[in-house]
Amino acid sequence: DAEITQSPRHKITETGRQVTLACHQTWNHNNMFWYRQDLGHGLRLIHYSYGVQDTNKGEVSDGYSVSRSNTEDLPLTLESAASSQTSVYFCASSPSGASYEQYFGPGTRLTVT
Amino acid sequence: QKEVEQNSGPLSVPEGAIASLNCTYSDRGSQSFFWYRQYSGKSPELIMSIYSNGDKEDGRFTAQLNKASQYVSLLIRDSQPSDSATYLCAVNHYGGSQGNLIFGKGTKLSVKP
Repeated sequence: DAEITQSPRHKITETGRQVTLACHQTWNHNNMFWYRQDLGHGLRLIHYSYGVQDTNKGEVSDGYSVSRSNTEDLPLTLESAASSQTSVYFCASSPSGASYEQYFGPGTRLTVT
Repeated sequence: QKEVEQNSGPLSVPEGAIASLNCTYSDRGSQSFFWYRQYSGKSPELIMSIYSNGDKEDGRFTAQLNKASQYVSLLIRDSQPSDSATYLCAVNHYGGSQGNLIFGKGTKLSVKP
């Protein structure tokens, strides 16, 4: 069955370290998204991609980067982790077209100490 | 600033009752509307999508859309304790990044046995 996976599911890292969160989908969706979810803020868009080699900044992109070298993967990199980046991170994907339905991965809980 | 507003709750209903969840949005050009269910510690799960004015029914769930009033709702009939979750309303961002969704902060529903 087609799916979307994230790894690791849990990660503890230290301030200043570079961290990469993986997202892999087998639906062949063109659109992929990274969100963070924090109490009181709901889901906030970090970065998104509409296809290979396309990446765009969302509302909370500072300190994060993404790259899209194939359809299946959109890794999220925290260049120098900060305590403010402690959060739950969700990856989502959607097909091209007018429906805009997004399907979410299981999430990664990241703690920066 | 595009916004999606939901009452944070908690909304408490007895088992077997109808739960009514409401959402308003600010972007008059929005065309696609979604309801996601999120259990504690889990990722959002798409349960309903609606694109035109009126009602759309799927099992115990009915989504209602009124574009003139910029209002979308979700009714859950015969509520069960397993429906206890946070329900997120999402609306597509019309113009520019049309594949993107704006999420409300969610309404927490509690169904009491």
